[in-house]
Amino acid sequence: SQKIEQNSEALNIQEGKTATLTCNYTNYSPAYLQWYRQDPGRGPVFLLLIRENEKEKRKERLKVTFDTTLKQSLFHITASQPADSATYLCAPTGGFKTIFGAGTRLFVKA
Amino acid sequence: SAVISQKPSRDICQRGTSLTIQCQVDSQVTMMFWYRQQPGQSLTLIATANQGSEATYESGFVIDKFPISRPNLTFSTLTVSNMSPEDSSIYLCSVGSGHAGETQYFGPGTRLLVL
Repeated sequence: SQKIEQNSEALNIQEGKTATLTCNYTNYSPAYLQWYRQDPGRGPVFLLLIRENEKEKRKERLKVTFDTTLKQSLFHITASQPADSATYLCAPTGGFKTIFGAGTRLFVKA
Repeated sequence: SAVISQKPSRDICQRGTSLTIQCQVDSQVTMMFWYRQQPGQSLTLIATANQGSEATYESGFVIDKFPISRPNLTFSTLTVSNMSPEDSSIYLCSVGSGHAGETQYFGPGTRLLVL
C-alpha cells in the first residue's frame, strides 16, 4: 500500500539556521508533491507545490526538492525564525488523490 | 485562495447521537473534501464531495455513517451518525484549487469529543 514517511521525532534548531525536513514515499508515483504547514488547533496551510519534472522550487525562505528516483522530497527553511515553529506536512498527489504524511514538528529556538 | 469557515468549532456529544458539521466557502468551488485527523496523526480522507454528484467515499468510510450534502458550490455538510467515542477527532473540510484541484485550502476544523 502507499506509504508516506516523515520524521516522527521533532526537529529542534536554533534561530537563523536552516531546517531540513524529509519526506519519503513508497508504492506511489505522484505527479506532484505539496508541503503544508499546520499550527496547533488549525487547519493545514498550503506552502509549495513541486511537479515531477521539477527538481527544485523556491519561495522566499523556502526551498523544496523532489527526487522521483529516490522517491524523496526535502523541505528547507533558511534563516529560520521562532515563528516558523509548526508541523509541516508532506502531501504527494497522484491520480487526483493527495495523501498526507503525519508531519514533522519543527521547533525554532530564539 | 479561498476562505473557509466551519461550524461548530468544537462540540461534546453523547454516544449514539449525531452531529452535522457545516462548511462554508467564500467563493464557488467544484471540489470539496472532508478529512478526519486524530491527534498527532495524518489527515485521513473521508470523502470527496463535488457539486452535482454523489459524494465518493474512501475505503473504511460509508455513507450511512458519514452522510454528506453538497447543495451548491459554496456549502457542504458532513454528518457523523450514531457516534461512539472512536469518532472523537478533528474533522476538516477543504476545497481544491488549481486546474486539477491539486492544491487544497482547509477550514479551521471541528474538534469533536464523544463521551
